Amino acid sequence: QKEVEQNSGPLSVPEGAIASLNCTYSDRGSQSFFWYRQYSGKSPELIMSIYSNGDKEDGRFTAQLNKASQYVSLLIRDSQPSDSATYLCAVQEGGTSYGKLTFGQGTILTVHP
Amino acid sequence: GAVVSQHPSRVICKSGTSVKIECRSLDFQATTMFWYRQFPKQSLMLMATSNEGSKATYEQGVEKDKFLINHASLTLSTLTVTSAHPEDSSFYICSATGTGGHTGELFFGEGSRLTVL
Repeated sequence: QKEVEQNSGPLSVPEGAIASLNCTYSDRGSQSFFWYRQYSGKSPELIMSIYSNGDKEDGRFTAQLNKASQYVSLLIRDSQPSDSATYLCAVQEGGTSYGKLTFGQGTILTVHP
Repeated sequence: GAVVSQHPSRVICKSGTSVKIECRSLDFQATTMFWYRQFPKQSLMLMATSNEGSKATYEQGVEKDKFLINHASLTLSTLTVTSAHPEDSSFYICSATGTGGHTGELFFGEGSRLTVL
C-alpha cells in the first residue's frame, strides 16, 4: 500500500512567521510531487510542483524535495491569515499515468493575526 | 488557465435514487479524467481513472457497478452514483489532464457535494 504521510496538525503560527509543512512518501519510484491548498468546502488548488531534488521557490512559497529520504516539504514565509487552509501533499507514483495522485491526509494551518 | 467545470455543485437526494455528476473541460480536450471522493476532514481518495472512449479503471474497494463512469467525449466525463445511500454522502471532485497547450497540466473541478437523506 503506497502511502503519503503529512505531519500531524493542526499547525498554528502567528502572522509574519514561517510555516513549515512536511510530507513523507513510501514509493521510492515516485517522480512528481505537489502541494495543494484547500479551503473549506472548495476543491484543491495547486501551490507548488517539484520534480528534482533541492529547493524550488515561488514567491513566499518554497518546496524542498529529498528523494533519498523520501521527503518533501513546503515552507510559507511571511504567513498571512489568508494562508489559513488545509495543505495537501500529493505524489504521483512511479509508473502511473500523469495526474494519478496519492494525497496525504492534509495539515490544517491557521495563521493568527 | 484551463477550466474544469463540475455540475451540480450541490445535490441532495433521497436514499435509493441515482445521481449524475458531470465534469467538463471547457477550453481543452481532456484525454484523462480522474474522480476523487473526499469525506469530511479526510483527504482525497482516488476512485477511478477515466480515459476517453474506454472503460474506467477503478481503484481497489470502489464498486464499479455502483459508481458508473462514462467518458464519451474529450470534454465530458460523468459519474453516476446508483442507488445512493447516506454513506455515499461526500464531496466528489474530478480532475483532468489535457492535450495541446495544456499537456502535462492537471486541473481540478470545483467539486460536487452530495447529501443522501
